[in-house]
Amino acid sequence: SQTIHQWPATLVQPVGSPLSLECTVEGTSNPNLYWYRQAAGRGLQLLFYSVGIGQISSEVPQNLSASRPQDRQFILSSKKLLLSDSGFYLCAWSVLTGGLPQYFGPGTRLLVL
Amino acid sequence: DAKTTQPPSMDCAEGRAANLPCNHSTISGNEYVYWYRQIHSQGPQYIIHGLKNNETNEMASLIITEDRKSSTLILPHATLRDTAVYYCIVTSPSGNTGKLIFGQGTTLQVKP
Repeated sequence: SQTIHQWPATLVQPVGSPLSLECTVEGTSNPNLYWYRQAAGRGLQLLFYSVGIGQISSEVPQNLSASRPQDRQFILSSKKLLLSDSGFYLCAWSVLTGGLPQYFGPGTRLLVL
Repeated sequence: DAKTTQPPSMDCAEGRAANLPCNHSTISGNEYVYWYRQIHSQGPQYIIHGLKNNETNEMASLIITEDRKSSTLILPHATLRDTAVYYCIVTSPSGNTGKLIFGQGTTLQVKP
């Protein structure tokens, strides 16, 4: 069966510091991968998606970037964190044509101070 | 903006059926209805989806009206662990990347 991992589970970072969040999927090949963010008390917002190695699409302009160095690895990064980057970051995957349904990981809770 | 309307909150007694409504009056012919739920501090969990026929799986049943303008998610025997925010999402698989737009959902509180 497929499994999705995210780490770290929780992160507290100072403003201006770099960020690297990692997501890996097991048990499937060539998945579509997604990064979402959920700000406190709000719905999920799609940040990036990837249909293959090195292929990244950005949904919203922001302080973050994404990379996909391997088929089942998706990384979310920032060079300098802002207070507004705080939130719950979720990685998701899908394999069916059309990209649905998507299955979510456990998430990383980021607090920028 | 989300294309669905859901009540902000509902209560349900443990062991009873929980019926969660969703209005999607502007749904188009190629759009499906997807349901997810998010238990506090966890990632969203896929529950079920449907196009026009009623669907059932081990978690829930989905009833879609004939005109497809509304649907109901049914949890047949709610437990305390079903307490969560339930999201109804209308979207279509598109190319390789279907997009999920999450609204505010319905907070279901299952009470003993």
